[in-house]
Amino acid sequence: DIQMTQSPSSLSASVGDRVTITCRASQDIRSGLGWFQQKPGKAPKRLIYAASNLQSGVPSRFSGSGSGTEFTLTISSLQPEDFATYYCLQHNTYPLTFGGGTKVEI
Amino acid sequence: QVQLVQSGAEVKRPGSSVKVSCKASGGSFSSFTISWVRQAPGQGLEWMGGIIPIFGTAYYAQKFQGRVTITADESTTTAYMELSSLRSEDTAQYYCSRDGVDWGQGTLVSVSS
Repeated sequence: DIQMTQSPSSLSASVGDRVTITCRASQDIRSGLGWFQQKPGKAPKRLIYAASNLQSGVPSRFSGSGSGTEFTLTISSLQPEDFATYYCLQHNTYPLTFGGGTKVEI
Repeated sequence: QVQLVQSGAEVKRPGSSVKVSCKASGGSFSSFTISWVRQAPGQGLEWMGGIIPIFGTAYYAQKFQGRVTITADESTTTAYMELSSLRSEDTAQYYCSRDGVDWGQGTLVSVSS
């Protein structure tokens, strides 16, 4: 199975900050990466698919980049509703695999 | 947008099996990947396996090979996940998802003697 290493595991930030989260794949997954946001007690929500495509309805302050083995999720200006846990998911090859998650806290 | 409705919470004994259903309505079912994802209390997301109903072939994470079976019934637009030889570490919220976009509400499976 492809291993996804996500960093950092947690971070503290303030409203208005620029936040960057990274995922590294154990092998080339081309652009087969998605980013998800999860709030406590809720199902995950997809933000980005195919590395850099914004899911319909997701604010433009979220962006994704990268290909191959290195990927980044950027929140350009953190909003109060963005405090949550974020996960990457490689969807290039079965079995799919999640990163370990990044908790974004105040 | 597709609505996914999962079966209700389950309490199981160690060594037993559980079968969770995921009923899709309001959109296409057969040509998208239906995945099963679980989350143990306080832990991260874990992809267990998935199936594209029109093809019928299921894919599983190595960790669950031999213990999980994922099936889909196109006639009822329902997917199923059966997990056997349950142990306490399988206590978790289990979600189905269509292509990562649509998600079920989750099914809590508790394993306890």
